[in-house]
Amino acid sequence: GQQVMQIPQYQHVQEGEDFTTYCNSSTTLSNIQWYKQRPGGHPVFLIQLVKSGEVKKQKRLTFQFGEAKKNSSLHITATQTTDVGTYFCAGYNQGGKLIFGQGTELSVKP
Amino acid sequence: NAGVMQNPRHLVRRRGQEARLRCSPMKGHSHVYWYRQLPEEGLKFMVYLQKENIIDESGMPKERFSAEFPKEGPSILRIQQVVRGDSAAYFCASSPPVRETQYFGPGTRLLVL
Repeated sequence: GQQVMQIPQYQHVQEGEDFTTYCNSSTTLSNIQWYKQRPGGHPVFLIQLVKSGEVKKQKRLTFQFGEAKKNSSLHITATQTTDVGTYFCAGYNQGGKLIFGQGTELSVKP
Repeated sequence: NAGVMQNPRHLVRRRGQEARLRCSPMKGHSHVYWYRQLPEEGLKFMVYLQKENIIDESGMPKERFSAEFPKEGPSILRIQQVVRGDSAAYFCASSPPVRETQYFGPGTRLLVL
């Protein structure tokens, strides 16, 4: 079945450093979504990318969808302690099921 | 517009008891999804329902677990004869049509003693 892989699993950064998480799907995706889950919280929708090669920005966050629509990345510039959490990518398979990556857990040292 | 509601937020059960988890989708959303998250792990799809229909239950364990989304009222995830391995956070999400953004509820943290 379709798999969505995310790397790295954990990332520890010093506040102010940049952070990137990568997402790869075994099949072409119609769209890709990113979610953030704070410790003890629930996943919160961040953004959806639909077009091949699409790039979207939300303040210090930059999201990119690959040309082949099989990979995506999330880059955070100058991390802050408020960025702490686990970032998940997710893509719909043919049957309408949203498949989540394993997530990248970000910790930020002040 | 209230978000996705789940209750209870925390549930403690002894082995062998039943657990009932409730989910009310966002207003206007007719698609409900249940996920399980074990500590330090990602979200595992369990079941996808529309009103009065189970669309995809490929992620549900074959025994002890069941889900419904009746015409009236919330969606229910039911776990019979719970075991310690059922301890996890159970999240419900809802969306308008399929393949759209899913909005998650706060989750029910189930602890089986």
